[in-house]
Amino acid sequence: QKEVEQDPGPLSVPEGAIVSLNCTYSNSAFQYFMWYRQYSRKGPELLMYTYSSGNKEDGRFTAQVDKSSKYISLFIRDSQPSDSATYLCAIAGTKAAGNKLTFGGGTRVLVKP
Amino acid sequence: ETGVTQTPRHLVMGMTNKKSLKCEQHLGHNAMYWYKQSAKKPLELMFVYSLEERVENNSVPSRFSPECPNSSHLFLHLHTLQPEDSALYLCASSQEAWFFNYGYTFGSGTRLTVV
Repeated sequence: QKEVEQDPGPLSVPEGAIVSLNCTYSNSAFQYFMWYRQYSRKGPELLMYTYSSGNKEDGRFTAQVDKSSKYISLFIRDSQPSDSATYLCAIAGTKAAGNKLTFGGGTRVLVKP
Repeated sequence: ETGVTQTPRHLVMGMTNKKSLKCEQHLGHNAMYWYKQSAKKPLELMFVYSLEERVENNSVPSRFSPECPNSSHLFLHLHTLQPEDSALYLCASSQEAWFFNYGYTFGSGTRLTVV
C-alpha cells in the first residue's frame, strides 16, 4: 500500500464549478498536511498548509483534514481557467519520528472556459 | 533574483557524458533538497542538505553525486546515467530541514533527457 494515494485524473470542470480533490494516507503519525499546485513546466508551489486536523480557508481554497479517516481534501470554489494545473498533496510526520515529506502522485485539473 | 533558481532548464546527455545541475536559493534558507519527478510517479526525495551537511541520502545510485558548497548553492553531478534517469529534477529549500510550516520552495526544475 502506498503511503499517500491520489487519483491522477484528469479532472475536467466548467469555469465557476467547485473542484474537489482528495488524498488518502496510511500512516497515522502524519501531522503536517499540505497542498501544492504545479503548473506545466514549473516547480510545485505551496497552496495550503494545515497542522493536525480541521479546516483551513484561504480565499477560494479550503483544505480539510480528517485524521480519523486518514483523508484530506482541497476544494476550489468559483474555479477559473487559471486554476488548471496539477495539484499535489504532501504529508509528513514529526521530525522526531524521522518522517520525510511524502507526496501524492498529483491530480491534473482542467477548468474549461 | 528571488526564490530558487535552477540551471539549465533543459539538458540532453548521452549515457557516457558528465554534466552538473545547479540550484541557487536567495531566501536565506538553511536546508536544500533534490527531488526527482518522473511521469506518473510521485516526487521522489533524493538528497537533503542542512547547513551544507548531507543529512539524507535516499538510496540514490552513485551515478548521482550531490555537492553543497554553501547554504545558498546546491549541485547535482551526473555521470554514466541510464535512460530511466530521464525526468524532471527539482531543487527545493526550506528554513530548516524537514521544517514544514511554510512548506518547501521549489525551483522550476531541470528537464533531463538521457539518450
